[in-house]
Amino acid sequence: GNSVTQMEGPVTLSEEAFLTINCTYTATGYPSLFWYVQYPGEGLQLLLKATKADDKGSNKGFEATYRKETTSFHLEKGSVQVSDSAVYFCALSVPSEGYSSASKIIFGSGTRLSIRP
Amino acid sequence: KAGVTQTPRYLIKTRGQQVTLSCSPISGHRSVSWYQQTPGQGLQFLFEYFSETQRNKGNFPGRFSGRQFSNSRSEMNVSTLELGDSALYLCASSSGTGIYNEQFFGPGTRLTVL
Repeated sequence: GNSVTQMEGPVTLSEEAFLTINCTYTATGYPSLFWYVQYPGEGLQLLLKATKADDKGSNKGFEATYRKETTSFHLEKGSVQVSDSAVYFCALSVPSEGYSSASKIIFGSGTRLSIRP
Repeated sequence: KAGVTQTPRYLIKTRGQQVTLSCSPISGHRSVSWYQQTPGQGLQFLFEYFSETQRNKGNFPGRFSGRQFSNSRSEMNVSTLELGDSALYLCASSSGTGIYNEQFFGPGTRLTVL
């Protein structure tokens, strides 16, 4: 089946530290991969995405590379800020059974990140 | 462009009651998906509608149902509420075709069942 496994939190770092949140996936076929972020009291926002192997998604200083050989999509940022404190979700999108144009998103369990000033 | 809106933002109900949540997608989006978010189970997919047709369904009991109107607005209904239904219910809209399109999430409806 299709699934996403991500690093358990919470993760606490000091401002300007390097961040890695690990994410691995299991999927049939060739999924698209996403990182979503959820700030307190809000819905999810797409942070970045990659649609094929070796693609690198990037946004707001965050990066993740679609690694097919290791089935991974680890999130990294070189220097975190207090404003990055949030919950981060790794997710994949796969075609739905029965509807070739449809897809469904499967989320990981989320990693809570807290940044100390 | 206005984002995804969900109403109401907060709801308190008692066991056995039913509830209807509403979602208005981004203009032009034809796909609406619903998710349940709880601390214990995380984000779980409920169902997806596209042009008034349910295309996808998650693993939830029949008490959870939904529909989509011709203007793409969607409603989700939960009947015979249980304590375990307390959760944040998120709606997401997208153009609805292919696996590459981004889903845009609303702020959610926080349902508390007493």
